[in-house]
Amino acid sequence: QKEVEQDPGPLSVPEGAIVSLNCTYSNSAFQYFMWYRQYSRKGPELLMYTYSSGNKEDGRFTAQVDKSSKYISLFIRDSQPSDSATYLCAMAMGSNYQLIWGAGTKLIIKP
Amino acid sequence: DAGITQSPRYKITETGRQVTLMCHQTWSHSYMFWYRQDLGHGLRLIYYSAAADITDKGEVPDGYVVSRSKTENFPLTLESATRSQTSVYFCASAGQGNTEAFFGQGTRLTVV
Repeated sequence: QKEVEQDPGPLSVPEGAIVSLNCTYSNSAFQYFMWYRQYSRKGPELLMYTYSSGNKEDGRFTAQVDKSSKYISLFIRDSQPSDSATYLCAMAMGSNYQLIWGAGTKLIIKP
Repeated sequence: DAGITQSPRYKITETGRQVTLMCHQTWSHSYMFWYRQDLGHGLRLIYYSAAADITDKGEVPDGYVVSRSKTENFPLTLESATRSQTSVYFCASAGQGNTEAFFGQGTRLTVV
């Protein structure tokens, strides 16, 4: 079993829908949780960063961490075709630890 | 230009040849990483470096060699390329605290 599980998709939704992307993990020592967005033929770029549990909001994006369930989520409101990309979750035990990555979920927003 | 750059962007090489992928960052970040990305596997760490002259193995180091004589450069060498090393390779860097990794554009390597 992988340390971080992420459904590869693809997930296809109509423009304007609320999108929910999720990762589960097995290591309770993870404290740092990140979501990266990767457009086709580009490198990943950091989208959201959360330390420990709770919610974090940035514009149309909300990151949620539930450490008791070992489950993290990324919500995208009012989704746009430009949000079409692969979304990767990543997590680490400490600030100087290696990132452990999910496989990425391919998201398609249909106009 | 500021940032992290990889070269070449595309490379085709033959089995058994040595090939070096270059990575250069302008932020003086302490940490640098090499990942490979394959369908179904996501990002897998090959090697990383916490500072100049300090390198360590990641998840999939076999067949690869790295060096870091200067903070800004972190080349990755495939000593004798195999078809299984056909992949997209990403270099990344991060400052102290390692909370945000910045990625290069990637090198698409094909071994024939």
